[in-house]
Amino acid sequence: DIQMTQSPSSLSAFVGDRVTITCRASQSISSYLNWYQQKPGKAPKLLIYAASTLQSGVPSRFSGSGSGTDFTLTISSLQPEDFATYYCQQGFTIPGGFTFGPGTKVDI
Amino acid sequence: EVQLLESGGGLVHPGGSLRLSCAASGITFSNYATSWVRQAPGKGLEWVSGISGSAGSTYYADSVKGRFTISRDNPKNTMYLQMNSLRAEDTAVYYCATLVGATGSFDIWGQGTMVTVSS
Repeated sequence: DIQMTQSPSSLSAFVGDRVTITCRASQSISSYLNWYQQKPGKAPKLLIYAASTLQSGVPSRFSGSGSGTDFTLTISSLQPEDFATYYCQQGFTIPGGFTFGPGTKVDI
Repeated sequence: EVQLLESGGGLVHPGGSLRLSCAASGITFSNYATSWVRQAPGKGLEWVSGISGSAGSTYYADSVKGRFTISRDNPKNTMYLQMNSLRAEDTAVYYCATLVGATGSFDIWGQGTMVTVSS
């Protein structure tokens, strides 16, 4: 099964900061890496799919990069509504499941 | 408007059973593979089970294999999760979501339904 790790597990930042979150897969997943944002009490929201493609309606301050085993999510200028938990998820293979990373909580 | 609506959650004793439903609207349901994803209180997301649009293929996480059964009724635009032999560690919010096959991403999510397994 493919295992996903994220770092950091949490971070504190100011509005306007540039924030980078890292996700690593235990084996190559090509570009089958997706990012989600989740706010308390709400369902996750797809931000980026295929490592770097922005989901429709997602602000351009969000970007993703990487391939193989190492990926990053970058928020270029953190806004108040961006304080949330972010999860990566591999979409490479079903056996074992579409594994999620443990999450990164971004707070003030 | 595209919408997924889960129902069927509640409190159940360990060893008990529960059936969750996920009703879709605004989409041609049979065109979409769908999944259940759960989140234990204060924890991260865990993919639980998936089913192809035609219901010809089903998939399960090891943690629920042999206890949970996923199914769908396309004419009713509804997916189900039959959960048997429930354990305390199955306590979670259960979300249904549509799967984009080309990327393995979940693009539409329901609001979730809470399942609590406790004596």
